Amino acid sequence: DTGVSQDPRHKITKRGQNVTFRCDPISEHNRLYWYRQTLGQGPEFLTYFQNEAQLEKSRLLSDRFSAERPKGSFSTLEIQRTEQGDSAMYLCASSPDGLVGLFFGEGSRLTVL
Amino acid sequence: AQKITQTQPGMFVQEKEAVTLDCTYDTSDPSYGLFWYKQPSSGEMIFLIYQGSYDQQNATEGRYSLNFQKARKSANLVISASQLGDSAMYFCALEGQGGKLIFGQGTELSVKP
Repeated sequence: DTGVSQDPRHKITKRGQNVTFRCDPISEHNRLYWYRQTLGQGPEFLTYFQNEAQLEKSRLLSDRFSAERPKGSFSTLEIQRTEQGDSAMYLCASSPDGLVGLFFGEGSRLTVL
Repeated sequence: AQKITQTQPGMFVQEKEAVTLDCTYDTSDPSYGLFWYKQPSSGEMIFLIYQGSYDQQNATEGRYSLNFQKARKSANLVISASQLGDSAMYFCALEGQGGKLIFGQGTELSVKP
């Protein structure tokens, strides 16, 4: 499968625990985006990378959230000290330079108990 | 500020009929792109159609067409000959800085047999 891959697909955790999601973009896509989607809402932009550089962070990305893309390939999104309000679908998308539109993965669904 | 508005939380359509999903947008950029994505219950965001602000003709992709009215800042999606498999959430999105997409709240389409 050569699409955007996200892992894990589902994560259930207790409040206060840390969680990490991984995204593998389509090969040679140098742009990578993270979105959060809560039930009944559209995806909300969190952050994006151009290669390994994090170029923009939304105000939604609190201090408990950190994203990395160390070698310009896969990316991780870590949430520290999870709260119930963090329960959502976390979507990753990638895109090559010069092409409009994003290719999305199937998402990682987080449930915080 | 850039904004997308979808005013129809839910829509019903009879199988084989056409349906229009509404989308209005706000942007100060002279050049921009508009997208429609489909999100079935599995969660993946599926690209349907794209319209550039300077495109002379309305975009079409198979049974999907985009009714683009620039002066009214609207970009409605028309689905012809609805199929049961069209039942899903539909999101309109505006291209923002860095290629990120700004999504509306979505419209849930239900196709009745």
